[in-house]
Amino acid sequence: DTEVTQTPKHLVMGMTNKKSLKCEQHMGHRAMYWYKQKAKKPPELMFVYSYEKLSINESVPSRFSPECPNSSLLNLHLHALQPEDSALYLCASSQDAAGWYNEQFFGPGTRLTVL
Amino acid sequence: KNEVEQSPQNLTAQEGEFITINCSYSVGISALHWLQQHPGGGIVSLFMLSSGKKKHGRLIATINIQEKHSSLHITASHPRDSAVYICAVRFPQETSGSRLTFGEGTQLTVNP
Repeated sequence: DTEVTQTPKHLVMGMTNKKSLKCEQHMGHRAMYWYKQKAKKPPELMFVYSYEKLSINESVPSRFSPECPNSSLLNLHLHALQPEDSALYLCASSQDAAGWYNEQFFGPGTRLTVL
Repeated sequence: KNEVEQSPQNLTAQEGEFITINCSYSVGISALHWLQQHPGGGIVSLFMLSSGKKKHGRLIATINIQEKHSSLHITASHPRDSAVYICAVRFPQETSGSRLTFGEGTQLTVNP
């Protein structure tokens, strides 16, 4: 299984809602990533988990809260988002976070719209 | 400053044409990735290379370490190749091997 899956595919939420994005991989990878991608722009790194511990937080606002309950799962909890947070949220995984030659495998993304 | 530049930004081709997309970077790198993204979709990793040349089907990626330049070639292009192609690199100065620096992407449209 060489796939990263993400649910839901699409999410529409109000600014007062709480929702979660989910990401799963069964490749035995020990590093998992969240990226945010605005239209016609490259992905921006948000968080990196390495061996289920948060290793990189790119100064992301606290209304985004990541969680890695086990080595196969990665969640992104959303609360009190703003319309400018509307974007494609991509999850990725790699064998580990430290290796310079580790390839990242990306999921299909969740298209988030904040009203 | 670690920078990645891609060219062209947009490329339109007729089916069957040979296509080249270029990527230049500012300092030496550890590895370079070529990624493909279809409209509204996730990202597919096409190649990861640190030297030489790799081929997969109609796709060829080359890298010239001395010139700090990589190219992605598509032979016998097809409308299904229409997508955004993104170059992403790992700079060795980065404290974590997980950090990629992305180019702005090249929007390729192949017309039948």
